[in-house]
Amino acid sequence: ETGVTQSPTHLIKTRGQQVTLRCSSQSGHNTVSWYQQALGQGPQFIFQYYREEENGRGNFPPRFSGLQFPNYSSELNVNALELDDSALYLCASSLGQGANEQYFGPGTRLTVT
Amino acid sequence: GESVGLHLPTLSVQEGDNSIINCAYSNSASDYFIWYKQESGKGPQFIIDIRSNMDKRQGQRVTVLLNKTVKHLSLQIAATQPGDSAVYFCAENPNLGAGNMLTFGGGTRLMVKP
Repeated sequence: ETGVTQSPTHLIKTRGQQVTLRCSSQSGHNTVSWYQQALGQGPQFIFQYYREEENGRGNFPPRFSGLQFPNYSSELNVNALELDDSALYLCASSLGQGANEQYFGPGTRLTVT
Repeated sequence: GESVGLHLPTLSVQEGDNSIINCAYSNSASDYFIWYKQESGKGPQFIIDIRSNMDKRQGQRVTVLLNKTVKHLSLQIAATQPGDSAVYFCAENPNLGAGNMLTFGGGTRLMVKP
């Protein structure tokens, strides 16, 4: 186990709704990255937070937003859900801004109907 | 549990044999690489990493080889066990200034026959 936890485990939402996913990083880690993994594909980078600031963003629209809290836990918010947002959402924690080991949580399975 | 990869390349090996999983990465500026193992219904599990100033790194039963000339990465698993059955992803840090982002390959399914 990595010590990275995510909630909820599963979630079903309707198109157009909003969702918030949560992640607690591994003890001592100050960086959280979020990834989207569609079925049958590798994870795709959404964005990263380092010390409560967005530190990098992938090719995702602005309706994907996030927060990082002083305890380094993080939220991923998705507005105006679309059917294609159905995926496994993974968070990974690491130490620092540079290229370092990232440890993943178990993910949240989001289904949009 | 859910299926991680429905139409992935598959490597089938006999228990006890050595496995070699290959990956072609995309960005010549990438300076850091990680191999992950993902079992059905779970998040990716860190296996081993390597930086671009090295061409080989060994862990417990695993070895990663990096060939920057042809942008190729491989993962060797010695004495493969049934518990090694999973989908394996290589990931690169493309060093684009976007934090510590990782770009993942499409994955390879490893099936270990007892």
